[in-house]
Amino acid sequence: AQSVTQLGSHVSVSEGALVLLRCNYSSSVPPYLFWYVQYPNQGLQLLLKYTSAATLVKGINGFEAEFKKSETSFHLTKPSAHMSDAAEYFCAVTRSDSSYKLIFGSGTRLLVRP
Amino acid sequence: DTAVSQTPKYLVTQMGNDKSIKCEQNLGHDTMYWYKQDSKKFLKIMFSYNNKELIINETVPNRFSPKSPDKAHLNLHINSLELGDSAVYFCASSQDPGNTEAFFGQGTRLTVV
Repeated sequence: AQSVTQLGSHVSVSEGALVLLRCNYSSSVPPYLFWYVQYPNQGLQLLLKYTSAATLVKGINGFEAEFKKSETSFHLTKPSAHMSDAAEYFCAVTRSDSSYKLIFGSGTRLLVRP
Repeated sequence: DTAVSQTPKYLVTQMGNDKSIKCEQNLGHDTMYWYKQDSKKFLKIMFSYNNKELIINETVPNRFSPKSPDKAHLNLHINSLELGDSAVYFCASSQDPGNTEAFFGQGTRLTVV
């Protein structure tokens, strides 16, 4: 069975500081991995995805994530936080054999201090 | 134009009532989904349809019945509403099942009183 673990339900950074949101996955087959962002009272928006091409994936709004098979990790980073990055971030996994469903982590709320 | 639109955005209703949430996508996608987000923000898939055919039916009470009249619509009907059904329900669509980007609607906040 697949699963996703996001370490830290809340992460607080200062504006301009590095953002690091952690995601570890469990999958018996090569996974597809995603990061989604949810702004208050909004739906989810895709930030980036890994589908077995380059292990370093660049997404929107300056975010990127690196797939590390040896660590079963797909951590999300951004070099310099902006106030507008404050939101809930979800890591998700699905299978390369098209099992048709995204399995989401429990989410990490990013707080950005001025 | 909103890519995935849900109506209503807010729904407050009494226990025991029957209610529906509508979802429409104008992206030309083949696959549509319903997700439930609970009070702790945990997201779980409920149903998925591909070309109007049910392909995922998670462990959901049979009071919940999805209906897909065509590829662009996936409605969710809920009978005999219970307090525990209170949540935000998200509709989503993707080009095809599995590994492609899912586009989410704005959500419907259902409150059962």
